[in-house]
Amino acid sequence: DSGVTQTPKHLITATGQRVTLRCSPRSGDLSVYWYQQSLDQGLQFLIQYYNGEERAKGNILERFSAQQFPDLHSELNLSSLELGDSALYFCASSGRGEGGQETQYFGPGTRLLVL
Amino acid sequence: GESVGLHLPTLSVQEGDNSIINCAYSNSASDYFIWYKQESGKGPQFIIDIRSNMDKRQGQRVTVLLNKTVKHLSLQIAATQPGDSAVYFCADGGGTSYGKLTFGQGTILTVHP
Repeated sequence: DSGVTQTPKHLITATGQRVTLRCSPRSGDLSVYWYQQSLDQGLQFLIQYYNGEERAKGNILERFSAQQFPDLHSELNLSSLELGDSALYFCASSGRGEGGQETQYFGPGTRLLVL
Repeated sequence: GESVGLHLPTLSVQEGDNSIINCAYSNSASDYFIWYKQESGKGPQFIIDIRSNMDKRQGQRVTVLLNKTVKHLSLQIAATQPGDSAVYFCADGGGTSYGKLTFGQGTILTVHP
């Protein structure tokens, strides 16, 4: 168990809908990262937050957004869902620095299926 | 239509053998690398990391080798066990102060009893 928790574990929804994925980092970790894992693209970095502020952005679609709250949990919002958004979404957290070169520990993921 | 997926390299070994999983990276400025293990239905699990000022690092039954000249990383698993069967990813931490990881495509390791 990495100490990172994610909910829900599974999510099934329809095209055009909006969903929110939730992540709680390891105790004391200030950085949260979101990754998408799909069959055709592998594991791809989406976005990073450090202590409530966005720090780095990767291949995140404009339909997707994220935030980190004062209690350090994070939410990833996916809207106007398309079939191709079906994937595993992972959250990771790392220590007290700004995320540079610190071990990232991954949660168990949320499996999203868009029908 | 036909779906297109990543075709992951595979490695099959017998229990007790040593396994070597290879990874190439492209960013010559990268100075931090990590190996993760991902079992079916789970998130990536940290195995070992290495910084660019080292060329070898050992953990419990695992060794990571870094060759910066050819931008190559390898993970050696000694006395491989059936529980080691998983997909193994190398990840590149880049050369910046931020934590974005760039993952390789992964290698499927199957250990036969």
